[in-house]
Amino acid sequence: AQSVTQLDSQVPVFEEAPVELRCNYSSSVSVYLFWYVQYPNQGLQLLLKYLSGSTLVKGINGFEAEFNKSQTSFHLRKPSVHISDTAEYFCAVTRYNQGGKLIFGQGTELSVKP
Amino acid sequence: DTGVSQNPRHKITKRGQNVTFRCDPISEHNRLYWYRQTLGQGPEFLTYFQNEAQLEKSRLLSDRFSAERPKGSFSTLEIQRTEQGDSAMYLCASSLDGPPQETQYFGPGTRLLVL
Repeated sequence: AQSVTQLDSQVPVFEEAPVELRCNYSSSVSVYLFWYVQYPNQGLQLLLKYLSGSTLVKGINGFEAEFNKSQTSFHLRKPSVHISDTAEYFCAVTRYNQGGKLIFGQGTELSVKP
Repeated sequence: DTGVSQNPRHKITKRGQNVTFRCDPISEHNRLYWYRQTLGQGPEFLTYFQNEAQLEKSRLLSDRFSAERPKGSFSTLEIQRTEQGDSAMYLCASSLDGPPQETQYFGPGTRLLVL
């Protein structure tokens, strides 16, 4: 069975600083990987996804993530954060041909301070 | 397209009562998913439909939970004899059929509080 571990429950950072949110997964088979963002009182919104091909994936709002198969990681990065990036971020995984069922990590709360 | 909608947005009920939630997916999306999210946790998969067929149910979905998707459009999730442990945010998502993995679009959720 797959599992997802987000290594930091909270990440405080100052505005315009770089940020990395860490995600590790475990699976014995190939997987698809996702990052979702959840703003207060809103549903989850897809930031980016890795299906195949280039291991560096670019998403919305200036975010990117790198798939590292040997380290089973899919860390999310942004070179310069804004106050508006304050939100909860979730890493998720699903297996090929499994109906799309997503397994989520526990979430990382990103808090951007002025 | 207005996205995935869920009703009601909030529900407060007393222990032992039955509740029903509704999800309207994005039109033409043939897959529909239900997840449950408790405070401080990521969403947990409950069940999913391909058109009107319920193809998988999580072990989290006890016999008190039932989901339907008649005619392959909207879906309902019913909880019978609610317990305080059922208090959570119930999320619905929809997508096109894969492969490859199609993006799931989430609704705003229904927050349930069982007193």
